[in-house]
Amino acid sequence: AQKVTQAQTEISVVEKEDVTLDCVYETRDTTYYLFWYKQPPSGELVFLIRRNSFDEQNEISGRYSWNFQKSTSSFNFTITASQVVDSAVYFCALIRDSNYQLIWGAGTKLIIKP
Amino acid sequence: DAGVTQSPTHLIKTRGQHVTLRCSPISGHKSVSWYQQVLGQGPQFIFQYYEKEERGRGNFPDRFSARQFPNYSSELNVNALLLGDSALYLCASSRLNRDSNQPQHFGDGTRLSIL
Repeated sequence: AQKVTQAQTEISVVEKEDVTLDCVYETRDTTYYLFWYKQPPSGELVFLIRRNSFDEQNEISGRYSWNFQKSTSSFNFTITASQVVDSAVYFCALIRDSNYQLIWGAGTKLIIKP
Repeated sequence: DAGVTQSPTHLIKTRGQHVTLRCSPISGHKSVSWYQQVLGQGPQFIFQYYEKEERGRGNFPDRFSARQFPNYSSELNVNALLLGDSALYLCASSRLNRDSNQPQHFGDGTRLSIL
């Protein structure tokens, strides 16, 4: 069975601090895809990144970076120099190669205080 | 280009009623998926449609049904509403079915409240 665990229910930091959101996944498949989505208070889910299981290169996009480690089944997300606008719930999700159904973590609520 | 659009934005119903939620995918996207998100939880998969055929169903009762039209828009129907059906219903579209690594793009959702 597939499962995504985001152990951090809520994180609160002061603006400009760096923060890392953890994501651990379980799957027996060799081919799968991992995603991060952001859900601001307005409710819409915003796609941030996708990673396939064969690409373990870390990725950086501006203040966002992602660390994918198959050895520990983790796909962690770091925000550098956090800003108040980063406040949102962040979801990690998994999809199998032969499937269409996103398996979601419970989400981490990130609060950035000014 | 317009994103995924859902209607209505908010809806209030009473127990036992039925509801129809609508979704228009991004132009060129042929796959539509529906998710239910209860407050404080991650989304739960309900259905996926591709080329007007159901391609996947999550663990939801038969009170939930959906369909996709020739223009790839979709409806989600829920009958005999229960208090527990109160949630944000999200529609997502993606370009292809077989290429499962394509990201799903989400609409703003329909917030359904059951009294």
